[in-house]
Amino acid sequence: DGGITQSPKYLFRKEGQNVTLSCEQNLNHDAMYWYRQDPGQGLRLIYYSQIVNDFQKGDIAEGYSVSREKKESFPLTVTSAQKNPTAFYLCASSIDPGNTIYFGEGSWLTVV
Amino acid sequence: DAKTTQPPSMDCAEGRAANLPCNHSTISGNEYVYWYRQIHSQGPQYIIHGLKNNETNEMASLIITEDRKSSTLILPHATLRDTAVYYCIVRVDGATNKLIFGTGTLLAVQP
Repeated sequence: DGGITQSPKYLFRKEGQNVTLSCEQNLNHDAMYWYRQDPGQGLRLIYYSQIVNDFQKGDIAEGYSVSREKKESFPLTVTSAQKNPTAFYLCASSIDPGNTIYFGEGSWLTVV
Repeated sequence: DAKTTQPPSMDCAEGRAANLPCNHSTISGNEYVYWYRQIHSQGPQYIIHGLKNNETNEMASLIITEDRKSSTLILPHATLRDTAVYYCIVRVDGATNKLIFGTGTLLAVQP
């Protein structure tokens, strides 16, 4: 079954801990993205990657880090430097940077 | 900031057509209009997109005005499962595919 898989769906962490959200796609897409969504608001771009071993900061990259060592994987690390990490995180991909973006089901991160 | 304007909410009776408007008065000639929808606690689902011609697929129709300053998404026979937040998005930069999401329209389909 082709698609974008995010894990875990729900994650609880203590303040000050780093946490990594997984995103895997088997669509053979070159481009991948991470967005953040806060309650009642639209999506904001954190990082994006147009190709393996390359990634660029989005609008709200501070406190986050990513890697793109494999085409199918684009993990997001939420570091302790992120001041308000509690949010809904969405991974997405597109066949190339100029094409339609498709989203995963999202991961809820709660930091207590 | 989002380059589109949508009403915050709309109601529609089940079985009737739902017409969701979007204004994008500053759209550039090479920018596409995309529509997504998001059901609570799920990832956004792609619906349709277009440049200047009207488009139709199995989910919806997209009507873009001739001056391209506004568009309407039409769900021909709304069902309760179509209740969601609908986002109208102008693709800002084709090279980076940096979609800018606003707050969308909450469509409530009533039985």
